[in-house]
Amino acid sequence: DTGVSQNPRHKITKRGQNVTFRCDPISEHNRLYWYRQTLGQGPEFLTYFQNEAQLEKSRLLSDRFSAERPKGSFSTLEIQRTEQGDSAMYLCASSLGGGQGNQPQHFGDGTRLSIL
Amino acid sequence: AQKVTQAQTEISVVEKEDVTLDCVYETRDTTYYLFWYKQPPSGELVFLIRRNSFDEQNEISGRYSWNFQKSTSSFNFTITASQVVDSAVYFCALSEAAGSTLGRLYFGRGTQLTVWP
Repeated sequence: DTGVSQNPRHKITKRGQNVTFRCDPISEHNRLYWYRQTLGQGPEFLTYFQNEAQLEKSRLLSDRFSAERPKGSFSTLEIQRTEQGDSAMYLCASSLGGGQGNQPQHFGDGTRLSIL
Repeated sequence: AQKVTQAQTEISVVEKEDVTLDCVYETRDTTYYLFWYKQPPSGELVFLIRRNSFDEQNEISGRYSWNFQKSTSSFNFTITASQVVDSAVYFCALSEAAGSTLGRLYFGRGTQLTVWP
């Protein structure tokens, strides 16, 4: 049983650099979500896709952030010109979709980003 | 405004004690879904349960039980006879079923449960 896979597990970079994270969802799941979690907080929603369509973006997703899911399978999250405040755990989740948003989301292990 | 409130930041119990984690939610939707997730020290979020707003029946799964009360907008989680392996951060989450927020989860800030041997 392959769950949600995220790469890399850790990323350390200097302020101002660009970073890209990858998420491979559970294969039959057509919905894919990105969340950000900082220390001592619950995950905060960033964006989600139904198949290849990006259906919602949070106000947290500034224009330095971009997410894609080009073929409706894996997704990438890119952060340009990273800032100290971008340091966080970036979580990807997937679920079955369609109808109402009630299906459980299954999470990957996350990518921990540290900005020096 | 916070849609999900977990007022207990940290709870410590001794093994075999029962413990209840509180969750209060806020929504204007009549159809919504509530979830509990566990985040052990390794970091991955593990799905525990989903409840829809039309089903107020309490649920028991082994040592875990959930009490959903719409009248008080609460969805509390009880672990019976706690074990050291239950030590984790537990998150309550809400998903609304309408409009532009369809699909996203609103998480509480989590409750850190520590079970001592």
